[in-house]
Amino acid sequence: GDSVTQMEGPVTLSEEAFLTINCTYTATGYPSLFWYVQYPGEGLQLLLKATKADDKGSNKGFEATYRKETTSFHLEKGSVQVSDSAVYFCALSDQTNFGNEKLTFGTGTRLTIIP
Amino acid sequence: DSGVTQTPKHLITATGQRVTLRCSPRSGDLSVYWYQQSLDQGLQFLIQYYNGEERAKGNILERFSAQQFPDLHSELNLSSLELGDSALYFCASSVEPRSYNEQFFGPGTRLTVL
Repeated sequence: GDSVTQMEGPVTLSEEAFLTINCTYTATGYPSLFWYVQYPGEGLQLLLKATKADDKGSNKGFEATYRKETTSFHLEKGSVQVSDSAVYFCALSDQTNFGNEKLTFGTGTRLTIIP
Repeated sequence: DSGVTQTPKHLITATGQRVTLRCSPRSGDLSVYWYQQSLDQGLQFLIQYYNGEERAKGNILERFSAQQFPDLHSELNLSSLELGDSALYFCASSVEPRSYNEQFFGPGTRLTVL
């Protein structure tokens, strides 16, 4: 079945540091890939997505590139801010699995940015 | 604000009881998904509805059931509750069931079973 393996946390960085959160996936079909973010006490919000190989999703300074050859979708940001502190989830939805468009999530990575 | 509403926000109940969680999707969204977030299992897909019909089932226990009503709101019913059912339950919606579509999440209902 489909699965997502995500870099274990928690991750603590200083403000303006470079961020990478690793994500690799296993899918029987052809997945769409997503990064969702969960701020304390809130639901999940879509951060970015990519739906085909070599696509780059980007939003709020975050980027991730869909790498089919390495089955990866690593999240990066060049300079993090305190407001980026949250839990980040990598997820996939299998495009060939018509009739079940569920999201399969990684375990989440808690990111804390210290001033 | 995602436009997805969930009630109640918090629910505290005892083992053996039955509860109903309610979700209203974003205006115009036809597809509703339920997820459970717990410390040991992470985020798990429970069930999906599309335009009133059940579309897919995930790791949903037989003690749990759901439905989507003609006005498109959905309810998740949890019965014979056990301590292990304590979790955050999220509802999400999308305009139509396509894997590349964003799912919009509600704020969740935190269920505590004592």
